[in-house]
Amino acid sequence: DVVLTQTPVSLSVTLGDQASISCRSSQSLEYSDGYTYLEWYLQKPGQSPQLLIYEVSNRFSGVPDRFIGSGSGTDFTLKISRVEPEDLGVYYCFQATHDPLTFGSGTKLEIK
Amino acid sequence: EVQLVESGGGLVQPGRSMKLSCAASGFTFNNYDMAWVCQAPKKGLEWVATISYDGSSTYYRDSVKGRFTISRDNAKSTLYLQMDSLRSEDTATYYCASKYYGYDYWGQGVMVTVSS
Repeated sequence: DVVLTQTPVSLSVTLGDQASISCRSSQSLEYSDGYTYLEWYLQKPGQSPQLLIYEVSNRFSGVPDRFIGSGSGTDFTLKISRVEPEDLGVYYCFQATHDPLTFGSGTKLEIK
Repeated sequence: EVQLVESGGGLVQPGRSMKLSCAASGFTFNNYDMAWVCQAPKKGLEWVATISYDGSSTYYRDSVKGRFTISRDNAKSTLYLQMDSLRSEDTATYYCASKYYGYDYWGQGVMVTVSS
């Protein structure tokens, strides 16, 4: 199975600062069709997860442009510029390239 | 407005069965692949199963293969998860999700507790 390693496990950020989360895969996530099926989700406290980013760098509808996904192959990053109070929660990366589909273990973002 | 509403959870004894349902509205259900994702208490997310838009293809994580069955009724815009031979480690909140770009929309989740 593909293992997604997220770092850091937790992150405490001052409002208005930038946060960065890394997701490293045990295998390349580029599929045979040329696409890379790496997604980012945010689970706010007490809520269901919500899609932020798909195919490495595409923001889902309604997601602010403060959220920027990047990377390729096995190394991926989610950057959140100008962190706002509503950004707190647990961030998960997820790969849909290889069966079984797998999530990273999560990064908890807290506001200082 | 897209809505996914799960139902059918609760307390069940080990070895018994339970069937979850997910009623969809606000989008063309039969155009979307659908999935179940679970989350054990205080733990992370785990993909459970996926079904194609027309029900012709299904995929499962290894730990549920042969025990869980994902299905759908496009006429009723409803997704199902039949869970047999339940184990304590299946205790989790189960979310249904629609898949297009990613898992675009999620239900509120339904809790399944497997315990004697």
